[in-house]
Amino acid sequence: AQRVTQPEKLLSVFKGAPVELKCNYSYSGSPELFWYVQYSRQRLQLLLRHISRESIKGFTADLNKGETSFHLKKPFAQEEDSAMYYCALSGPGKLIFGQGTTLQVKP
Amino acid sequence: SQTIHQWPATLVQPVGSPLSLECTVEGTSNPNLYWYRQAAGRGLQLLFYSVGIGQISSEVPQNLSASRPQDRQFILSSKKLLLSDSGFYLCAWSVLGRGNTEAFFGQGTRLTVV
Repeated sequence: AQRVTQPEKLLSVFKGAPVELKCNYSYSGSPELFWYVQYSRQRLQLLLRHISRESIKGFTADLNKGETSFHLKKPFAQEEDSAMYYCALSGPGKLIFGQGTTLQVKP
Repeated sequence: SQTIHQWPATLVQPVGSPLSLECTVEGTSNPNLYWYRQAAGRGLQLLFYSVGIGQISSEVPQNLSASRPQDRQFILSSKKLLLSDSGFYLCAWSVLGRGNTEAFFGQGTRLTVV
């Protein structure tokens, strides 16, 4: 069965500190993984996708098939990074999300 | 450009009343369509998804149903609402392509069952 797990409901860091939002998945096939972000009073939107191997707003995420993980990282957090972050897995016809992690960046 | 419309934005309904939430997509054809419920502590729960007209897959057993009468229209319904149906409902669409599955979300509907 497809499953996405984000173990942390809330992650609170100070500005300038490194950030790692954890995501683990369960999928029998070749996974397509994504990170979505929801800023306050905005719609949920795509942040990055694993296949692009891109860095968006300083965030990166590496797919580790051995550990079935897709953790989101940023070396230096900014206050504007405060938001809800969702890890997502695409399967045949559907897109499932984890429970979400609220990132709070304190000044 | 593609857009997604979801309405109403807020809705207050009495227990036992029917429900109909509508979602329409513009600017694309044959999209995959999704209904999610967003709840604190439970994240974004997939309720239904559809890969084509009349094709509905349900992810969780519940008091709700979904229909897709047209290619770009997705409707979430209930014959009799329960208190537990209260929540924030999101419609989304995507066009599947290898490694290019980006989903676009509507503004959401805040449903309160009283």
